Amino acid sequence: QVQLVQSGAEVRRPGSSVMVSCKASGGTFNIYAINWVRQAPGRGLEWMGTIIPISGTADYAQKSQGRVTITADEATSTAYMRLSSLRSDDTAVYYCARGFISECRSGSCKTASAFDLWGQGTMVTVSS
Amino acid sequence: DLQMTQSPSSLSASVGDRVTITCRASQGINTFLAWYQQKPGKVPRLLIYAASTLQSGVPSRFSGSGSGTDFTLTISSLQPEDVATYYCQKYNSGPITFGQGTRLDIK
Repeated sequence: QVQLVQSGAEVRRPGSSVMVSCKASGGTFNIYAINWVRQAPGRGLEWMGTIIPISGTADYAQKSQGRVTITADEATSTAYMRLSSLRSDDTAVYYCARGFISECRSGSCKTASAFDLWGQGTMVTVSS
Repeated sequence: DLQMTQSPSSLSASVGDRVTITCRASQGINTFLAWYQQKPGKVPRLLIYAASTLQSGVPSRFSGSGSGTDFTLTISSLQPEDVATYYCQKYNSGPITFGQGTRLDIK
């Protein structure tokens, strides 16, 4: 049974960067899209971006553009989310979540899928 | 960007009550709509996708309806374990967007 296992909690200074990993175990990695969602304390869910590992296509929320980089390593079935220029309001739990690929054409793939499987979450605290 | 607006933002109901939460999209999204349940301190759980399809393992007291801009999540008979925050999500082309959440507790 596929599980998404995320890396452990992180504490960072403002202005630094953090990388969170998400490893898919027990199943095929490259038929899925991997999404990143964050949740600040006491707040709602915020989509940050998506990667489709089989095509390497990444899509980002406008708010995340320029500070977030999402990558994937098919060989290790692991996706990564790097957030730079950290601020105190980046303090949140970061989740990876699985979606399904809806179509692939000429090496470019798209996803339009609900998130049926989630990682356990990674707490990132930004504090001076 | 497209906005997803849930109502109410919170509600209290009694065990056995029928509970309805609504979600409105600022533009039509066909049926590219999902509902999630998040219990305190837990990971979100997919309840409904494609507006009305129950995810495997989800109790049948949960149901979803709607298309276009107006959607509904219904719990036919509220149980104590349904205390949670519920989120709608649109997932078609363009940015993925969540509603702001509806907090449900027992009266």
